[in-house]
Amino acid sequence: DTAVSQTPKYLVTQMGNDKSIKCEQNLGHDTMYWYKQDSKKFLKIMFSYNNKELIINETVPNRFSPKSPDKAHLNLHINSLELGDSAVYFCASSQANNEQFFGPGTRLTVL
Amino acid sequence: DAKTTQPTSMDCAEGRAANLPCNHSTISGNEYVYWYRQIHSQGPQYIIHGLKNNETNEMASLIITEDRKSSTLILPHATLRDTAVYYCIVLTDSWGKFQFGAGTQVVVTP
Repeated sequence: DTAVSQTPKYLVTQMGNDKSIKCEQNLGHDTMYWYKQDSKKFLKIMFSYNNKELIINETVPNRFSPKSPDKAHLNLHINSLELGDSAVYFCASSQANNEQFFGPGTRLTVL
Repeated sequence: DAKTTQPTSMDCAEGRAANLPCNHSTISGNEYVYWYRQIHSQGPQYIIHGLKNNETNEMASLIITEDRKSSTLILPHATLRDTAVYYCIVLTDSWGKFQFGAGTQVVVTP
C-alpha cells in the first residue's frame, strides 16, 4: 500500500479556475505538509497541519486554502488559478522524529 | 535559520563510495542535520539524520564534524539508481519546517 498518496497525478486547467488536490497518508502520522516545487526545482513548504490544526502557514496567497477533515487527509484547494501556480505540489507526513514521507507529487499546469 | 551550502553537482563511478559534503556553519545546538534525495520527478526520500554523533543506516552514513559546522553523507557503494539531487537540511523548528536548498545533483556513471 502506498504510504502517502495524492490525486490527481496530473492536473491541467485554465486560468481563473478553482481546483483541489487531495492527499492521504496511511502511516498514522499526526503531521501533514504541502510543498510547492517550481520550475527552478526549489522545494518550498507552504502549509503544515498537526492533528487537523494549522501550525505552519508560509507566505502563500490566500487563494490557497488547505483543509484537513481528519489527521489522515490534507487537501489543497486553489481558487482563481494563475499561470504562476504551475508547479509540482508534494504532500508529506511525519511523526515525532520529523522524518517526512513524501507523496508522488501532483503536476499542475495552468494554461 | 541555519543555511546549508552544498556543491552544485558531482559525479561518481558505479560501485565506488560517494562523499557528499555540506556546510552548515550557523547551525545551533539543538538543530538536526537531515539528508533527503529526490530522484527525477519523484517525491523527496528520507536518507538519514543526526545531531552530533555519526549515524549509519542501510542507505548511508552521516559524518558530522565535532564543531557541527559541516557534515558528509557517504553512499558506500553507489549504484545507477542513486543518481538524484541530494539535499542537506538543517531542521529549523520542532514542527519539521524544512528549508530545502538547491542540493547537489549526483550522477552515478557506469
